[in-house]
Amino acid sequence: DSGVTQTPKHLITATGQRVTLRCSPRSGDLSVYWYQQSLDQGLQFLIQYYNGEERAKGNILERFSAQQFPDLHSELNLSSLELGDSALYFCASSPTGARSKNIQYFGAGTRLSVL
Amino acid sequence: AQKITQTQPGMFVQEKEAVTLDCTYDTSDPSYGLFWYKQPSSGEMIFLIYQGSYDQQNATEGRYSLNFQKARKSANLVISASQLGDSAMYFCAMSEGGGSNYKLTFGKGTLLTVNP
Repeated sequence: DSGVTQTPKHLITATGQRVTLRCSPRSGDLSVYWYQQSLDQGLQFLIQYYNGEERAKGNILERFSAQQFPDLHSELNLSSLELGDSALYFCASSPTGARSKNIQYFGAGTRLSVL
Repeated sequence: AQKITQTQPGMFVQEKEAVTLDCTYDTSDPSYGLFWYKQPSSGEMIFLIYQGSYDQQNATEGRYSLNFQKARKSANLVISASQLGDSAMYFCAMSEGGGSNYKLTFGKGTLLTVNP
């Protein structure tokens, strides 16, 4: 168990809908990262939050947004869903500080199926 | 150019034998980290081992070791005494630079099958 909790584990929805994926990082970790894993694109970085603030953006669509709350949990919102958004979405968290090596620990993922 | 290249889509190894999974990387940043993750068929991503660009010695974690050849920009994972439970997809990844952004760039992965 990595200590990172993602809910739900599975999500089935229809095109055009909106969903919210939730992530609770490991205790004490300030950084949260979101990744998307799909068959054609592989594992891609979407966005990072650090202590409530957006720190970096990757290949995240405008239809997608995220936030990190004061209790450090994070949510990834996906709207106007398309078939191509079907993927495994991972959240990861990492400790901070020079000795931590910034190793990212991943949650079990949320498998999104858009029908 | 790809930042992380894993040239072996699939590998087979006999139980109890050692296996090497290849990874080459491309970066101009002097400060970077290299990671290996394991993804079993159940889907979760499990951290295995880390190597920093300034580390003088190769990293080891139990049966996992990282063969770090900086001049060749390679970071191969060596699994000793393979077990059936090692069958999984293995990803090499890199983080670059400093600050507080350590996003990971992943390779396409190598599917390892351990035969009894």
